[in-house]
Amino acid sequence: EVQLVESGGGLVQPGGSLRLSCVASGFTFNHYNMNWVRQAPGKGLEWVSYISSGSSTIYYADSVKGRFTISRDNAKNSLFLQMNSLRDEDTAVYYCARGVGPRASDYWGQGTLVTVSS
Amino acid sequence: QSALTQPASVSGSPGQSITISCTGTSSDVGDYNFVSWYQQHPGKAPKLMIFDVSNRPSGVSNRFSGSKSGNTASLTISGLQTEDEADYYCSSYTTSTTKVVFGGGTKLTVL
Repeated sequence: EVQLVESGGGLVQPGGSLRLSCVASGFTFNHYNMNWVRQAPGKGLEWVSYISSGSSTIYYADSVKGRFTISRDNAKNSLFLQMNSLRDEDTAVYYCARGVGPRASDYWGQGTLVTVSS
Repeated sequence: QSALTQPASVSGSPGQSITISCTGTSSDVGDYNFVSWYQQHPGKAPKLMIFDVSNRPSGVSNRFSGSKSGNTASLTISGLQTEDEADYYCSSYTTSTTKVVFGGGTKLTVL
């Protein structure tokens, strides 16, 4: 069974940093691309970032470029999202998702809530 | 404002069919056959229902089907069931530097 478990969310002040983690199981992690997608409270989905299976290709949404960094550790079946210079508008549930390229996500974790507030 | 335009809500009765539209531009929906549809129940993670315009992942009911014409994609659900009541989101690959865009979501009510 494919499982994706996110962690690392919490309350952070504007301008602060947070690192999200996602541990994968039930599939061969190093064969798959991965995405981060977020959802602000009561709002729709927003794609955040993509990383290919071997980390050679990385994409970011314009809204987070230069502030967020995606990475992965295939030896530990783990995906990460380093978030710096956080803003109020980054408040959202962040989902880790297995990618069909960047264009679709076929399995999703349950999400971790990031709240940016003073 | 979302990059892709979906109706805010649609409704139907059990057994009926409904269609949800997703309108983009020649830079996203119109340029790639990379439209996906997701179902999200309240408090739950999204579930992939359709990818690459019309492909169903394993385990997704064949009551769900997708299509595209020009800059508009569509999700059709036939034989509506009460458990289909959820939010539905479309997404598309795009030529912009933001590689993937979503629609604003459509709330499906099964009356």
